[in-house]
Amino acid sequence: EAGVVQSPRYKIIEKKQPVAFWCNPISGHNTLYWYLQNLGQGPELLIRYENEEAVDDSQLPKDRFSAERLKGVDSTLKIQPAELGDSAVYLCASSEFSGLSSYNEQFFGPGTRLTVL
Amino acid sequence: GNSVTQMEGPVTLSEEAFLTINCTYTATGYPSLFWYVQYPGEGLQLLLKATKADDKGSNKGFEATYRKETTSFHLEKGSVQVSDSAVYFCALSDNDMRFGAGTRLTVKP
Repeated sequence: EAGVVQSPRYKIIEKKQPVAFWCNPISGHNTLYWYLQNLGQGPELLIRYENEEAVDDSQLPKDRFSAERLKGVDSTLKIQPAELGDSAVYLCASSEFSGLSSYNEQFFGPGTRLTVL
Repeated sequence: GNSVTQMEGPVTLSEEAFLTINCTYTATGYPSLFWYVQYPGEGLQLLLKATKADDKGSNKGFEATYRKETTSFHLEKGSVQVSDSAVYFCALSDNDMRFGAGTRLTVKP
């Protein structure tokens, strides 16, 4: 079974440029997560989708970040414009059950490492 | 709010040494507790979990026991291998997953 797929794996851009990350979750997983992982830190949730609905986006900086999950499958996370402080790894994860389930196991993709110059 | 604090690294051990990585949590209610592992160049993988007090999670020789009285979920392995070199994350799940900062383990032959 294929795992969570993310692309690109690496991205280098100049500040003020836009950038987009793509995620394909495990087939049949209704819940999708985007996390931000700074160097030496654990992942921090940016947004959680249940099917195509964003049910928790309280940590997403909405002035420059946006996300969508059309048709409740693939998802795209966008930053426009990027700032130096956005350099980090962006992780996508998916789970079979609702995020509210304490039995929920999340499966992670390899991440996209963003460098903003 | 709910949070996780784990032992700072890096940790360097010789092969076959005993491993302990400390993790404590702060939570209202009764969250589930997890250990995730991240091997170089890969995504996080679930290593083990425990969903209620006194549960012991185990996998690949690693163990952790959910201790409500000490609010802890320490990771242990009796004999580490070079292939265990990775970053280990303690996490708790209430409505969302909250991760510790991670502990980098290096095992030398």
